[in-house]
Formats: sequence, structure tokens, C-alpha cells
Amino acid sequence: DTAVSQTPKYLVTQMGNDKSIKCEQNLGHDTMYWYKQDSKKFLKIMFSYNNKELIINETVPNRFSPKSPDKAHLNLHINSLELGDSAVYFCASSQEYLALKNEQYFGPGTRLTVT
Amino acid sequence: QKEVEQNSGPLSVPEGAIASLNCTYSDRGSQSFFWYRQYSGKSPELIMFIYSNGDKEDGRFTAQLNKASQYVSLLIRDSQPSDSATYLCAVNVQGAQKLVFGQGTRLTINP
Repeated sequence: DTAVSQTPKYLVTQMGNDKSIKCEQNLGHDTMYWYKQDSKKFLKIMFSYNNKELIINETVPNRFSPKSPDKAHLNLHINSLELGDSAVYFCASSQEYLALKNEQYFGPGTRLTVT
Repeated sequence: QKEVEQNSGPLSVPEGAIASLNCTYSDRGSQSFFWYRQYSGKSPELIMFIYSNGDKEDGRFTAQLNKASQYVSLLIRDSQPSDSATYLCAVNVQGAQKLVFGQGTRLTINP
């Protein structure tokens, strides 16, 4: 059973296109996240949702729009893709928001390449 | 100053030895700390978390926390080649309830 799943695993597209990445978790967690990991392996949070409500919105271009239809799903839509968007995007989830023990479990990642 | 700092390595350790990974953080109000292991091309995997000063042991792994010095470390005893990976330190930032990651330390265990 996959706890946190993402689709697609690889995404190659041209500049200016619009693309979406989907994430689902079957852990019953309340909180979900999107992270970006750049070529230097630095992992940085982009967004966080708790029970479908946006909690964290880091300094991310507004070309990135997350959407949470229910607490088990968190999607990421990216408009007008740029070369600098090339990275690995990870979805993660944690059981509770505002918990001391905020253990996060990561999905397998989506490697986005913009040409 | 970066919020979470790690030596990026690479750190090379002979098989069977103790690998010591270090992390410092800037937010004195941080309360919980995590170590993730990431194999090349894979996702981060949680291996340890700690929120009380002192040591926490789990199998071959020991996490150490010193809040006064704003320092957290991970010791891996009896290092195995399968421990070769990048180790990410993450800090739960007080109030913001987000994990801030260090840049990771690449560890290589030499047979």
C-alpha cells in the first residue's frame, strides 16, 4: 500500500506550458504539503494545507496554484512554466497540524524538466 | 545565517565505524527536530525525531539534542554501505509549524 503517491513521476514539458501534479495520501492525515527540491538537493516548503485549508504559502510565484479537493488530495498546478521551475516536487503529509511531533511522510516525487 | 545548517560533505566513513552528522539551527524557539535519509533519486525517509534535550536511541541510530547550543546530531553506529545517502536535518519552526531543512550531508560508507 502506497502511503503518499504522486503522479506523474516524470514530467518533461516546454516553457510556457501549463501542467499539474497530483498527490494522494491514504494515511488519514490532516495536513499535506508541497516541497521543491532544487538541483543542489535543497528541500524547501512551498505550500501547506490542513483539512483543505491553505495554511502556509511561502514566497512562491503566483503561477503556482495548489488545490485541495479533500484532505486526502493535494494538487499543484503550474502556469506558464519557466526553465527555473525544473526541480523535483515532493508531496508530503503529517497527521496533525500544530503538533510537536510533526512527522512528515513524503511521496516519491515528480521530476519536472522544463525545456 | 541560514535557519538550519549542515556540513554538505561528502563525509566518508569506513564500514563498521561511527558516522557523526551535525546540524545547527538559528530559531531558539524550535522544539522538535528530525533526521531524514534520502537515497539518490528517492524521497526523504524519516529515521529519527527528537524534542527533548539529551540522547534518543533507535537501533544503530542515536539522535542528540542540545537546545542551549542549538545543536542536533545523528550518530550511526556500525556503519554499513547501505547507510550511504544524504542525511537531511529538519527543524519544526516554532509558531510557523513548518519544517525547515538543512542542505543535507552526503555520507559515504566505504567497504
